[in-house]
Parts: sequence; structure tokens; C-alpha cells
Amino acid sequence: DIVMTQSPDSLAVSLGERATINCKSSQSVLYSLNNQNYLAWYQQKAGQPPKLLIYWASTRESGVPDRFSGSGSGTDFTLTISSLQAEDVAVYYCQQYYGTLLTFGGGTKVEIK
Amino acid sequence: QVQLVESGGGVVQPGMSLRLSCAASGFTFSNYAIHWVRQAPGKGPEWVTVVSYDGRNKNYAASVKGRFTVSRDNSKSTLYLQMNSLRADDTAVYYCARPRISRVRDDAYDIWGQGTMVTVSS
Repeated sequence: DIVMTQSPDSLAVSLGERATINCKSSQSVLYSLNNQNYLAWYQQKAGQPPKLLIYWASTRESGVPDRFSGSGSGTDFTLTISSLQAEDVAVYYCQQYYGTLLTFGGGTKVEIK
Repeated sequence: QVQLVESGGGVVQPGMSLRLSCAASGFTFSNYAIHWVRQAPGKGPEWVTVVSYDGRNKNYAASVKGRFTVSRDNSKSTLYLQMNSLRADDTAVYYCARPRISRVRDDAYDIWGQGTMVTVSS
């Protein structure tokens, strides 16, 4: 199985400041035939299901604010919130969908400082 | 609107069985693979199983293989998860989730249900 490791476990950022979350996969999730990274980011607020933010490592889902961006390739990925808003308080998960068995990272909790 | 609605959760004793359902609406259910994902209290999501759009292909996480069975009835736009020999570590919220792209099994999930809670306890 591909293991997804996120860091940090939690993050406190001031309103309007940048938040950066890292995700590392135990093997590459870059598919050479289409040059796509099979990596997604989700946001989960308390009592709700996860919400898709980013797919193909850097493509923003429709309706997601442009302060959310994804980057990286191969095994190392980053989710950046450029200017943290109060409504961004949540747990963020990365997920690989490259392998037969899909796996999620352990999550990063983002709070307001 | 496009939605998935899970049902069938509850409290059961270890070793017992439970069947979950996931009712789809607002899209052509028979065109999409559907996954089950669970989330134990305070933990991250864990992928459980997937069934292809036509029901022919299924995969399971090692933790549930041999105990859980996924199936679908495209005429009813409904997905099922038969869970046997339940254990305490199966306690979780169970979500059904739809990949973004039709007829593609492995893709990010753009539609999730609200989940149904399964508690396995004596």
C-alpha cells in the first residue's frame, strides 16, 4: 500500500497569513502515461464529510476559492492557503488515487492563532 | 441535486452483521464506480471498498476482505455494503463517495454522502 504522511499534525496561523501543509507519499503517484499526479486534497469541517479542494495535485475543484492551491510532483506535495480566513478552520487530508488501494494522509488541523 | 444518502447504521455486538445502503440521485448512477470510505472517531478517512460502474469489479481493503461485501443495484440507484463478523475496530462513520469522472474507478471524490454511524460494542 502507498503510505501518505502529512506534516505538521496541526497548524495555528493568524488571519490573513499563509498556511502550508505537506504530504509525502511512500512511492511516486505520478502516472507517466498521462503525466498526472494522482493526488487530491480535501477539507473536512466538524461533523461534515470531506470536501474536495484539489485534484491532479494542483487543479482546483469548481467553486473552491483561489486562495487554495496545490503543488508538487512524484512523492512530495503541498497545499497552500494564501490568506487564511476564519471559515478555513478545518482538518485537511491528502489522498492518493494511484494505487489499487486508495489511501489518505493522517490529516492536518488548521486553527486560528 | 446530485447526492448520496447512506442508511443502515446502528449499534451491533461483535460478531454480528449489518447492511448499509447508499441511495444515489441527481446523476446517472450506472455510469459511476462508487466507493465506501470509513472514518473512525477522531481518525482520518480509510478507504474500504469500491465497485465498478457495472458491478463486475470489486476491490477491498485488507482489513475488511473476506468479511465485507459490496454490491449495487443500478435499477434502484443503490449501493450496498454487507458487513459480517463485525469487530470493535469497524466502529466508524461509513461514507459512500463518487469519483469525479464517470466509468473511472480511481479518481478524486467530488460527491460524498453525509455518512452513517456504525458502532460495534458489547
